[in-house]
Amino acid sequence: RKEVEQDPGPFNVPEGATVAFNCTYSNSASQSFFWYRQDCRKEPKLLMSVYSSGNEDGRFTAQLNRASQYISLLIRDSKLSDSATYLCVVRPSRYSGYALNFGKGTSLLVTP
Amino acid sequence: EAGVAQSPRYKIIEKRQSVAFWCNPISGHATLYWYQQILGQGPKLLIQFQNNGVVDDSQLPKDRFSAERLKGVDSTLKIQPAKLEDSAVYLCASSLGGPDTQYFGPGTRLTVL
Repeated sequence: RKEVEQDPGPFNVPEGATVAFNCTYSNSASQSFFWYRQDCRKEPKLLMSVYSSGNEDGRFTAQLNRASQYISLLIRDSKLSDSATYLCVVRPSRYSGYALNFGKGTSLLVTP
Repeated sequence: EAGVAQSPRYKIIEKRQSVAFWCNPISGHATLYWYQQILGQGPKLLIQFQNNGVVDDSQLPKDRFSAERLKGVDSTLKIQPAKLEDSAVYLCASSLGGPDTQYFGPGTRLTVL
């Protein structure tokens, strides 16, 4: 079983739509959780961290359910510029050296 | 502030040849990571350095891959000999240390023919 599993893509949505991505992780001792964004042929960039209490950054809302080992990202009012691959990322524990475990990513295409 | 620098940006080689990639992390960042990203996959850690010491190299194919960070700053990743399945983007990332945010370089896109 993969350590981090994401919804298969791609997601094609019209501008203004709301889209949700889901992710599950297998290591219950995982310490930190993130969503990264990767544009085509570019490096991953941190979009937001994910906390148990849930957190919001503008049109983006991330949720973490530790009991279910489940992470989500909600994008409201999608913009053309949101088109990218969204990577679910888990940091297993402080004892693993702080390296990141990435999911395969989910591709989002926002169309006019 | 300058970001993580990597070179070359692109490299095409034939199988069984050798290749080396270079990374210069953000100034002051103690931790340096090398990740391999195969097309359609997320990045996978190859090796992590803390200053000039190796923290984790459990996923580095040591029969053909090697990496060093001799002075605790720049790092070099080498593949010798390359195989077709090594075709990927090699990403370098750095962080101040520990759980701090990792910043990625633009990557080196390797094609092995």
